[in-house]
Order: sequence, then structure tokens, then C-alpha cells
Amino acid sequence: DTAVSQTPKYLVTQMGNDKSIKCEQNLGHDTMYWYKQDSKKFLKIMFSYNNKELIINETVPNRFSPKSPDKAHLNLHINSLELGDSAVYFCASSRGQRNTEAFFGQGTRLTVV
Amino acid sequence: KQEVTQIPAALSVPEGENLVLNCSFTDSAIYNLQWFRQDPGKGLTSLLLIQSSQREQTSGRLNASLDKSSGRSTLYIAASQPGDSATYLCAVTLNTGNQFYFGTGTSLTVIP
Repeated sequence: DTAVSQTPKYLVTQMGNDKSIKCEQNLGHDTMYWYKQDSKKFLKIMFSYNNKELIINETVPNRFSPKSPDKAHLNLHINSLELGDSAVYFCASSRGQRNTEAFFGQGTRLTVV
Repeated sequence: KQEVTQIPAALSVPEGENLVLNCSFTDSAIYNLQWFRQDPGKGLTSLLLIQSSQREQTSGRLNASLDKSSGRSTLYIAASQPGDSATYLCAVTLNTGNQFYFGTGTSLTVIP
């Protein structure tokens, strides 16, 4: 069983479109995250949710909106996609707000053309 | 703001060698430090987690040490194998927050 799963794995879309990336974890964790990995492979936090509540919202354009319908899911919706949004997006989870061991999904490679 | 640096950025070694990867962080008020492995086109795999009160953790051929006061951690890989080839990332969590600050990564190639 995959602990943290993201869909889709690859996403190619045109500028201006709206797209969503889904994330689910079956570990029973309370905290979930979205990270962005840029072309230089640097990982940076975007959002963090604990028990469906937003904890961290880094400096991310408001075109990015996370949605947590329950604590096992944290989806990422992106409006009006731009070329600079092209990156790999990783979902992760950990047991609590104070990071214990974190588990990452396989990543979603988003390419905006 | 926490900054995490990893040296070297890339490392190439022959199979069987022991090697050390370095991680340094600017804010020593960390809650824990975690080492990850990332294979090309794949996600991150957790290798070792060290709590701030610990000095080291071991898992198989891997040993991670932590010197919080000097802001350093090392990942020691014994008897390297071609399958160890990957990018290794360290990440720290601060006492005051709940997000990981990632290092820049070390790309390791083990030559058969």
C-alpha cells in the first residue's frame, strides 16, 4: 500500500488553465504539506495543514489554493497557470504539528506550456 | 530564517568506498533533523530521523550524526554500492515551527 499517493504523476497543460493535484495519505497522520521543487531541485514549503486547518501559508500566489476535505486528503488547486508554475509538487504527511518523521508522495511533475 | 547547506553538491566514488555527506544549518534551535534520499523522477524516501536530543542514528550501512551546537550533521555511508546512487537531502525542523527546511542536496554516484 502506498502511504502518500498523489495524482496525477505528470500534468502538462496550457497557460491560463486551472488544474488540481490530489493527495491522500493512509497513515492516519494529522499533518499534511505541499512542497514545491524547482528546476534546481530545491524543495520549499508551500502549505501545511493540521487536522484540516491551515497552519502554514508561505509566500505563495493566491492562484494556489489548498483544500483539505478531511485529514487524510490535501488537494492543491491552481488557477490561471503560468509558465513559472512548472515544477515538481510534493505532498507529504507527518504524525503531528511538531514534525516527526515525514513521508512524501512520488511527486507531480507539472509542465505549463 | 533557517538556511541549510549541503556539501559537496556532487560526489562520485568507486564502489566499496566509505563516504560522508555534510549538512550545515544556521539556526541551532532545531527540533529534529531528517535525511532523505531522492531517486531521479521519484519522491523522497526517509532514511534517518534524529531528534535534537540525540547524537546519532544508525540504520544498516547508514549512520547519521548531529552536532546541534555547531549546526552540523553528517551522513556516513559504509561500503557504498551502485544502488546508493541518488540525491541525498537533509532537512531540519525548528523548535518554533512545524515545517522542514531542506538543504540543497548532494548528488551521489557510486561507480561499479
